[in-house]
Amino acid sequence: DQQVKQNSPSLSVQEGRISILNCDYTNSMFDYFLWYKKYPAEGPTFLISISSIKDKNEDGRFTVFLNKSAKHLSLHIVPSQPGDSAVYFCAANSGGSNYKLTFGKGTLLTVNP
Amino acid sequence: DAGVIQSPRHEVTEMGQEVTLRCKPISGHNSLFWYRQTMMRGLELLIYFNNNVPIDDSGMPEDRFSAKMPNASFSTLKIQPSEPRDSAVYFCASSLSGLDEQFFGPGTRLTVL
Repeated sequence: DQQVKQNSPSLSVQEGRISILNCDYTNSMFDYFLWYKKYPAEGPTFLISISSIKDKNEDGRFTVFLNKSAKHLSLHIVPSQPGDSAVYFCAANSGGSNYKLTFGKGTLLTVNP
Repeated sequence: DAGVIQSPRHEVTEMGQEVTLRCKPISGHNSLFWYRQTMMRGLELLIYFNNNVPIDDSGMPEDRFSAKMPNASFSTLKIQPSEPRDSAVYFCASSLSGLDEQFFGPGTRLTVL
């Protein structure tokens, strides 16, 4: 019973174009969301986060959008670069004193030169 | 500035053998997490320590799994006896506190034959 779902196992885009990675969640108690990036043979690294009081958070080429009514978030990467090729994990947390992150299964992004 | 250190990076063992995975968190971090990544279930939290004390072990799959944190700079995850279904990548992560950004180690890839 996956509470955080990344329905696209993989995505391929051309360098310079936009990459859009999607994530859906089912637990209405989640109010803090994160994206992690993972290269092969390395652990996940934190990329960007968003609190449920916002609907958008931007950091350089990376923007996360949150649609609470749809229980959906997305990560936009513009412009995409070959170095962005990695597995991207969406994670959620119910905030407050809750330390537990619930992860999606990840989406493999390939950016072609 | 060393990150989270895990050893071994790869472990191949036979069913029934004891396996011990090791983790050294980032110095000064008070929280430590053990995760398991599989194709079927994605990235799952196994156990969470705060100030060396296990706070939540609800993710530990069964009694064959045990984890200890004898001091602030060392933790172990033990599987005894190991089974083929334990084959996975095991990650250790640490953070300043349970609510702060988690920094992941490179993982240990465990194969049980």
